Amino acid sequence: AQKVTQAQTEISVVEKEDVTLDCVYETRDTTYYLFWYKQPPSGELVFLIRRNSFDEQNEISGRYSWNFQKSTSSFNFTITASQVVDSAVYFCALSEPWGGKLIFGQGTELSVKP
Amino acid sequence: GAVVSQHPSWVICKSGTSVKIECRSLDFQATTMFWYRQFPKQSLMLMATSNEGSKATYEQGVEKDKFLINHASLTLSTLTVTSAHPEDSSFYICSARWDRVGFYEQYFGPGTRLTVT
Repeated sequence: AQKVTQAQTEISVVEKEDVTLDCVYETRDTTYYLFWYKQPPSGELVFLIRRNSFDEQNEISGRYSWNFQKSTSSFNFTITASQVVDSAVYFCALSEPWGGKLIFGQGTELSVKP
Repeated sequence: GAVVSQHPSWVICKSGTSVKIECRSLDFQATTMFWYRQFPKQSLMLMATSNEGSKATYEQGVEKDKFLINHASLTLSTLTVTSAHPEDSSFYICSARWDRVGFYEQYFGPGTRLTVT
């Protein structure tokens, strides 16, 4: 069965601190996709990244970076120099290659204080 | 990027009434759409997979007679909550899958907040 675990329920940091959100997944599929979404208070999901299981390269996009390690079934997300606008709930998700339905983790609520 | 809309954005209804929520892909065709439900402070849980022209596939524990899904066209799927009760109050989010050559993209709607009084 597929499962995504985000062990950190809430994280609170002070602005400009770096913060890493953890994501561990379980799947028997050899091909799959991993995602990160941001959900601000408005509720609308904001897509951040999709990673194919065959692509283990780490990715950086501005202040955001992702570390994908198949050996530990982890797909962690780091925000560098956090800002107040980063405050939101962040979800890690897993999908099968062609179905498209997503299995979401429990979410991590990030609070960045000025 | 592609856009998925939902209507209404929020709705308040009385217990026992039915509510219909629409999910539209505005600039692409979606053979498959998904309906998720999110209770306060919780994660998104898949309710059902909506397939154009065929019956929806419901996840275990979701009552298909209570949550009616109709995917009558390639750009529209509807979720009807029948005989709504306060425990159905939740945030309902749809997503639409855009099938491309060799891969797919998935886009989420902005969500519909349902309150049953």
